[in-house]
Amino acid sequence: DAKTTQPNSMESNEEEPVHLPCNHSTISGTDYIHWYRQLPSQGPEYVIHGLTSNVNNRMASLAIAEDRKSSTLILHRATLRDAAVYYCILRVLNTGGFKTIFGAGTRLFVKA
Amino acid sequence: EAGVAQSPRYKIIEKRQSVAFWCNPISGHATLYWYQQILGQGPKLLIQFQNNGVVDDSQLPKDRFSAERLKGVDSTLKIQPAKLEDSAVYLCASSPLVGLAKNIQYFGAGTRLSVL
Repeated sequence: DAKTTQPNSMESNEEEPVHLPCNHSTISGTDYIHWYRQLPSQGPEYVIHGLTSNVNNRMASLAIAEDRKSSTLILHRATLRDAAVYYCILRVLNTGGFKTIFGAGTRLFVKA
Repeated sequence: EAGVAQSPRYKIIEKRQSVAFWCNPISGHATLYWYQQILGQGPKLLIQFQNNGVVDDSQLPKDRFSAERLKGVDSTLKIQPAKLEDSAVYLCASSPLVGLAKNIQYFGAGTRLSVL
């Protein structure tokens, strides 16, 4: 199974940028990199995804290394509402279609 | 657009009892997923449907867990009989097959199961 490695937790100050790293050294050419986040007592929420190029949306930016073995989720200005568990996921293409494998994620703490 | 609906939100049962969870995905979403999330861990995929067919059930404990999606819309997940280690949040998600959102899973709030 394709796996990702993330720090267990990170801390940020409010209004500052946050860079959440993820290693996925076993990634293959057809695997998409997805990020989801999970707020307390809620289901995961999609944040962003990419294949090879860096991506931006209204929530965040995704920076993908040239060899695709790592990526970084960037929250440009952290707010208290961004405190959540962030999951870096590989969406792996297999015979039955795409399969999503979650790791343990990074718990982000945001200080006021 | 209504989100993924799950019920009940909470369920407490004793071991060896049976329990069922219900999920209604976003209208038009062909793919439906059931995940198990044990406290402190990421979600683990139990079963994935595309319309009413099973795409992946490799991690479903088939001796006690079953799931169906008879008309390709809503789905039920059943545990019979429950064990203590089944205590977890059961998450349902759906995604469309086509369009800009085809790679995105939309999750419900989950059902928290406690087995005593």
